[in-house]
Amino acid sequence: GESVGLHLPTLSVQEGDNSIINCAYSNSASDYFIWYKQESGKGPQFIIDIRSNMDKRQGQRVTVLLNKTVKHLSLQIAATQPGDSAVYFCAEKRGSNYKLTFGKGTLLTVNP
Amino acid sequence: GAVVSQHPSRVICKSGTSVKIECRSLDFQATTMFWYRQFPKQSLMLMATSNEGSKATYEQGVEKDKFLINHASLTLSTLTVTSAHPEDSSFYICSASSGGFDTQYFGPGTRLTVL
Repeated sequence: GESVGLHLPTLSVQEGDNSIINCAYSNSASDYFIWYKQESGKGPQFIIDIRSNMDKRQGQRVTVLLNKTVKHLSLQIAATQPGDSAVYFCAEKRGSNYKLTFGKGTLLTVNP
Repeated sequence: GAVVSQHPSRVICKSGTSVKIECRSLDFQATTMFWYRQFPKQSLMLMATSNEGSKATYEQGVEKDKFLINHASLTLSTLTVTSAHPEDSSFYICSASSGGFDTQYFGPGTRLTVL
């Protein structure tokens, strides 16, 4: 089912630090995972994705790690900037099923 | 690439009226479009999935007669909130996908306020 949270987990970091945002997923059959960034009043923005046959994928300043054993996904942001402040959602998908299941989201605040 | 637009970006209407929201994929053909609703400080909740030329598939608990979805072309889907009430006030977001393993690209959302 879908994850809906009334209280967003929060992470506060200093500008220039590295950020790590974690996500636990529930369905061991999920084989495709995506991280989205959502700024206030806007739609989610694709950041990076990873398929289940990988355990790490790197983008520009971002790295996604996948641990299928414990059903855990993380997003690492290097040299975090004030513009990275947003809510970050992980999402999972299974096989040919087009539906995405979203996690609760984490509010990242970057202090200058 | 992979730009999705929504119109309007915000709308205020009176209780009992109907509101139509458009979702367009601007630079790709979207075989599948999705409609989500998001309440403040909460995650996205999928309302329905629509494939071009066929009826939408609604999630459990979503009234299909209240939330009418039309996906008439590969670049346009519409969501009509019929007889809107204050509890329908929310942030409505669409996404579009070319299908299969392709990721979903999201529109900017529409803020609906029902007075």
